[in-house]
Amino acid sequence: DAKTTQPTSMDCAEGRAANLPCNHSTISGNEYVYWYRQIHSQGPQYIIHGLKNNETNEMASLIITEDRKSSTLILPHATLRDTAVYYCIVRPYNFGNEKLTFGTGTRLTIIP
Amino acid sequence: DTGVSQDPRHKITKRGQNVTFRCDPISEHNRLYWYRQTLGQGPEFLTYFQNEAQLEKSRLLSDRFSAERPKGSFSTLEIQRTEQGDSAMYLCASSGDVYSNQPQHFGDGTRLSIL
Repeated sequence: DAKTTQPTSMDCAEGRAANLPCNHSTISGNEYVYWYRQIHSQGPQYIIHGLKNNETNEMASLIITEDRKSSTLILPHATLRDTAVYYCIVRPYNFGNEKLTFGTGTRLTIIP
Repeated sequence: DTGVSQDPRHKITKRGQNVTFRCDPISEHNRLYWYRQTLGQGPEFLTYFQNEAQLEKSRLLSDRFSAERPKGSFSTLEIQRTEQGDSAMYLCASSGDVYSNQPQHFGDGTRLSIL
């Protein structure tokens, strides 16, 4: 699996957009980018995933660069409940390569 | 609540005892995964099932660990002769058909503490 690099921690003011970067320079053509977050004492929560096009859902937007070597997760209006560890993961889209390989993620703190 | 359910949420036991955890996946999901998470680290993959078949096991899954999914619905993870190093959060996830590229959805885990 391709590896990802994320900043260890970030702060964001409440109500502002939180932009979380992720580098995945060795990503392969059949690998998707997934984002999960984990709030203290809970299991990881799926946020969004994409292959090469930008994606948006009710939680966040995912911007993937044209060369697919990096991506940014955007939380448009951060709230205190968005304080969590955010994981960027790349995973092949094929049978037999289904495990998620988590790094240590980015600890995002939303400041009141 | 139609999410992934894990039981118990917390387990405290003495070293050397056996423990068993249960995971109930989202009902229509045929894939079920087990992960382990230690303090300050991201979850690490242990094993996964497609229906009742166990398709992959990590090197982390020593001989003391066994997982089953007998009827392709719920799953159990048993640890025999527990050791201090087994203290961790054990997470279960489920997903639908991989070809539909559905994401894995996680439960809130079972936290195991070995005295």
